[in-house]
Amino acid sequence: GAVVSQHPSWVICKSGTSVKIECRSLDFQATTMFWYRQFPKQSLMLMATSNEGSKATYEQGVEKDKFLINHASLTLSTLTVTSAHPEDSSFYICSASDAGATDTQYFGPGTRLTVL
Amino acid sequence: GNSVTQMEGPVTLSEEAFLTINCTYTATGYPSLFWYVQYPGEGLQLLLKATKADDKGSNKGFEATYRKETTSFHLEKGSVQVSDSAVYFCARRRSNDYKLSFGAGTTVTVRA
Repeated sequence: GAVVSQHPSWVICKSGTSVKIECRSLDFQATTMFWYRQFPKQSLMLMATSNEGSKATYEQGVEKDKFLINHASLTLSTLTVTSAHPEDSSFYICSASDAGATDTQYFGPGTRLTVL
Repeated sequence: GNSVTQMEGPVTLSEEAFLTINCTYTATGYPSLFWYVQYPGEGLQLLLKATKADDKGSNKGFEATYRKETTSFHLEKGSVQVSDSAVYFCARRRSNDYKLSFGAGTTVTVRA
């Protein structure tokens, strides 16, 4: 089946630094990738949608200058949390779709970010 | 409020017990409904789905029926196994876009 990986699986950083999280589709080409954020005991909340080669579409309330998304190839999308602060600590999950945004989404295992 | 509401956990069961996880949704039109499962250390996997009223999704012994009259999509399994221990997420996708809205997730632990 379709496999999506994320790296790193967890990261701890100091306040004010930037952190990059990678999302890769291992055995298929992902035309669309999604980034979610999950707080403890809460739902996954969609942050942004990205299509290969174009700018990401951010959900309302998500700061695009803080959460930089790049989808430069059909197998890789990156999320960079810039100038991270403790309130950015969360579980970040990506998903990928191989046949357009309306098709099944395949999820990565998530990345736990802790900002000190 | 959240468009998908599911039963709070955690749920702890013995092997071979009956499992039900309630899920209700809010939406206009005809959304598609999903159950995702997340096993420890892994990403969310699609468990089953239903795209129209009265459809029944089924997989791995799990079933859920799309009930428009009660706006529900409850997940059931007649006899759980230890390997069913996971977090289960109910999700909805509106008919006019691609975005998934998730419930909070229900942690299920099955004991031998």
